[in-house]
Amino acid sequence: ETGVTQTPRHLVMGMTNKKSLKCEQHLGHNAMYWYKQSAKKPLELMFVYNFKEQTENNSVPSRFSPECPNSSHLFLHLHTLQPEDSALYLCASSHVDRSYEQYFGPGTRLTVT
Amino acid sequence: QKEVEQNSGPLSVPEGAIASLNCTYSDRGSQSFFWYRQYSGKSPELIMSIYSNGDKEDGRFTAQLNKASQYVSLLIRDSQPSDSATYLCAVTGTASKLTFGTGTRLQVTL
Repeated sequence: ETGVTQTPRHLVMGMTNKKSLKCEQHLGHNAMYWYKQSAKKPLELMFVYNFKEQTENNSVPSRFSPECPNSSHLFLHLHTLQPEDSALYLCASSHVDRSYEQYFGPGTRLTVT
Repeated sequence: QKEVEQNSGPLSVPEGAIASLNCTYSDRGSQSFFWYRQYSGKSPELIMSIYSNGDKEDGRFTAQLNKASQYVSLLIRDSQPSDSATYLCAVTGTASKLTFGTGTRLQVTL
């Protein structure tokens, strides 16, 4: 596989469920990102990992828990979400020193019921 | 005030015309400026970057930057139906964080 992959592509979960989103990059990058994209709102940066260390948490509620076991993999663990958390969740990667040149995965369309 | 501001559109242009997409930003210390294209149901894709005042051309695309006016634009010449997408303006500020606008939806009509 090439580029940035994300699974699952679609997810429907109840407010009491626990689920995880997975991202994998095959580009040799060392920085990874989680974004939230809601209708009519700009892309919201959630978390940044550089060399698998978290360098930014953009005031994200604790019901979202990221995990970065290595520079190629990134997870977003979800629990007790709210309906307003329904959105497209995008993973991206880049070289640490070229953080503006981000390559995005296809996203996970999340619906919280 | 929004950090990166774009007209949401849709901007409708006929095939073959020039599409002009505009973006303003609030952080006067911003260093780098980018345009991403996002097709419906797809993820954003970087198409242009510009770092200094003036114009930068790449094929049918021209990015224009005016730091004094805090304004960046993207011109698409000879617009094609395949250019129909949402175009996201992104800016790195003094903290080197990439901040996106809400995007402008472009429709190229036959």
